Amino acid sequence: EVQLVQSGGVVVQPGGSLRLSCDASGFTFDDFAMHWVRQTPEKGLQWVSLISWNGGLTYYADSVKGRFTVSRDNSNNSLFLQMDSLQPGDTALYFCARANYGDYPDSWGQGTLVTVSS
Amino acid sequence: EVLLTQSPATLSLSPGERASLSCRASQSVSDSLAWYQQKPGQAPRLLIYDASKRPTGIPARFSGSGSGTAFTLTISRLEPEDFAVYYCQQRDNWPPTFGGGTKVEIK
Repeated sequence: EVQLVQSGGVVVQPGGSLRLSCDASGFTFDDFAMHWVRQTPEKGLQWVSLISWNGGLTYYADSVKGRFTVSRDNSNNSLFLQMDSLQPGDTALYFCARANYGDYPDSWGQGTLVTVSS
Repeated sequence: EVLLTQSPATLSLSPGERASLSCRASQSVSDSLAWYQQKPGQAPRLLIYDASKRPTGIPARFSGSGSGTAFTLTISRLEPEDFAVYYCQQRDNWPPTFGGGTKVEIK
């Protein structure tokens, strides 16, 4: 069974940093690219980032480019999202997801709630 | 960025009825469109990819159609567990984008 288990929620001050993690099991992690997607009641689902199977290629939404960095550790089946210069607009539920059938997010983690507030 | 517009915002139906959900793209996305189901407190679940293909394990009552700018998700006979929010998503134009969702509620 495919499982993606994410780190717990956190509150961080504006301008602060945070590192999200996502631990994968039940599939060959380094066969798949991985996504980060976030969700808010106001804006709905928003794609954030994609990393290739070996980490050699990374892609970002314009809203996070230059502030967020995606990485992976294939030896430990883990995905990360380093989030710097956080803004209140980054407050959201963040999901990791496996890219499959092309690169659609097909299996998703349970989500990590990130709240950026003073 | 491609804008995906879903309609209606809410669909009120009874179990056993047929549901038809629409997703329209602001420009052609070919057949590079997926549909997801999300229940409260859960992550989205992939139902359909490439407009009409079902991943392993998705019931046959879910079907997708369309290409270009107009797409439809059909649920042939609603089961109690199908009442949820449904989203479309395109991957033809960068960045990937999602629609605003259609809530299917019990009438």
